[in-house]
Amino acid sequence: EAQVTQNPRYLITVTGKKLTVTCSQNMNHEYMSWYRQDPGLGLRQIYYSMNVEVTDKGDVPEGYKVSRKEKRNFPLILESPSPNQTSLYFCASSSFSPTRDRIQETQYFGPGTRLLVL
Amino acid sequence: QKEVEQNSGPLSVPEGAIASLNCTYSDRGSQSFFWYRQYSGKSPELIMSIYSNGDKEDGRFTAQLNKASQYVSLLIRDSQPSDSATYLCAVNPGSGYALNFGKGTSLLVTP
Repeated sequence: EAQVTQNPRYLITVTGKKLTVTCSQNMNHEYMSWYRQDPGLGLRQIYYSMNVEVTDKGDVPEGYKVSRKEKRNFPLILESPSPNQTSLYFCASSSFSPTRDRIQETQYFGPGTRLLVL
Repeated sequence: QKEVEQNSGPLSVPEGAIASLNCTYSDRGSQSFFWYRQYSGKSPELIMSIYSNGDKEDGRFTAQLNKASQYVSLLIRDSQPSDSATYLCAVNPGSGYALNFGKGTSLLVTP
């Protein structure tokens, strides 16, 4: 079954305590992304990766780090979390396959990680 | 600032009607466009992608793109109560796999 998994699903932490949210996909997708979703602000891209060792900043990368050492994993690291990073986080993976007359895209989101930073 | 604008709604349509969802974007260099559906408390799911001007149909869904006017729309034919969700428009501004999302339109299909 095609799947994107995130762990943990829920986390309460305190300001400054480093944390990592893991993301793993089993579809051999090249592209992976992290998003945060906040009421009134919508979904915003934090970082994305186009392949192993290739990452780039999205709209709101400040305070976050990522790494892509293996194709299947794309962890999100908060070195020193602050209360303004309280949010719902989604990981997603995608692949693009050109077909005869169009580009076929496959994309899956993980179930989300709800983070509260006190 | 690369903006993607959507009417927040709620857009209310009767069952069986056509729901029309609209999205405008500010970056003329945008290359690819996506529509997602998100049920309350769930993850977004990709419905449609469109890359060139015109219409693209997939089942009850039709995406329409007009790059000159910088808008993209999603039509849902024969709307069902199960279509009630928030619909997110996303735009790739042409760099890598960056995606800018609108804030979403809430759709309510009434029986």
